[in-house]
Parts: sequence; C-alpha cells; structure tokens
Amino acid sequence: AQSVAQPEDQVNVAEGNPLTVKCTYSVSGNPYLFWYVQYPNRGLQFLLKYITGDNLVKGSYGFEAEFNKSQTSFHLKKPSALVSDSALYFCAVKGQTGANNLFFGTGTRLTVIP
Amino acid sequence: DAGVTQSPTHLIKTRGQQVTLRCSPKSGHDTVSWYQQALGQGPQFIFQYYEEEERQRGNFPDRFSGHQFPNYSSELNVNALLLGDSALYLCASRGSTEAFFGQGTRLTVV
Repeated sequence: AQSVAQPEDQVNVAEGNPLTVKCTYSVSGNPYLFWYVQYPNRGLQFLLKYITGDNLVKGSYGFEAEFNKSQTSFHLKKPSALVSDSALYFCAVKGQTGANNLFFGTGTRLTVIP
Repeated sequence: DAGVTQSPTHLIKTRGQQVTLRCSPKSGHDTVSWYQQALGQGPQFIFQYYEEEERQRGNFPDRFSGHQFPNYSSELNVNALLLGDSALYLCASRGSTEAFFGQGTRLTVV
C-alpha cells in the first residue's frame, strides 16, 4: 500500500536561512510524488512533482525537492526562506498503478521567523 | 481561466441532516476527486468521478455519495451527518499528472 510520512509536525527557520521539510514514502513500484502547500482557510496549492528523470525537481516559488530512491525520501527544500513561506506543507504519493488518488502525509507546519 | 471552484465556502448543519457540496473543475479537466481534511490531518480520498461514474473509492461509508454531470461538475452528498463529519471538503480536478484543488468547503456539524 502507498503511504508517506512527514516526521516533523513543526519546522521553524529564520528568514534567509535554507529550509528543509522532510518526507519519506512507501510504494510498490515507481513512485509519483508531490508537494502541496496550504495557507490558512485555503485549499491546496501544487508546488512540484517527481515522476521520473532528474532526482532534483524544481517547482514554484523557488522550492525544489530531492528524490532519493535508496532512502525512500522526497525532501522539500528552499535555499533562502521568506516569511511568506510560512504555511502547512503536505507531501503526497499517487495511488497504485491505474489509480489516480493521492495519499497525503499529516503535514508539516513551517514557520519562518523574521 | 478559472481554477477549481467549490460552493459553498462554509456550511453549518445539524447532526442527522443531509448536505450537498458542489465543485466545478478546472477548464479542460474531466476527472473530479473529493477529499476530506479533518482538523490537523492530511486530506483523505473519498472518491473519484470520470465520465459521470464513480471510478475509485476510498474508505468512506455509503453515507458519502456523489454525482458528476455532463459538464464535468460534481456534487458530494453526505447523509445522516455525524459530528465527526465536520471537516474541510476539498475537490480536485486532475491534469496530466498533478491534481488542482479548490479552496474547499468548511462543513461544521453541530
């Protein structure tokens, strides 16, 4: 069965510092992995995805994610955090072959401190 | 180009009542999925509609039902509401690979 885990409920980082939000996955077969961001009282906004190809994926708003097959991880990164990056971040994996639903982690709240 | 739109944005219902939530997918998208996001949790998949039929279903009881119309819009119906049904209900339409989400409907059951 597909699943993702986000081991940190909360991540705090100073503005201007690099940030990392962690995600590990468990899938049968090749993983389709996604990162979404959720601002208060809003839906989910797509940030980036890994389907195949380069292990470093670049996405919206300067975010990137590194796919590591041996460690089954897909950590979200940004070189320099902004206060406006403060939000709830979700990692997700696509269901098994032929299924289109997403399995989400429990989310990580990122707070960027001015 | 309008994204995924959902209505209403907020709703308060009494336990035992029935509710209908609505979703219009992003232009050009023909597949609609519904998710339930309880407070402090990640979204959980309810079901997916394509060509006006339910194609996949998550682990939700039959009280949760849906419909898709010829214009690809969709409805989520929940019968016999329980307090535990209080959540943010998200609709998503699917592009080539990623899903695009609406802003959600916040349902409160009292």
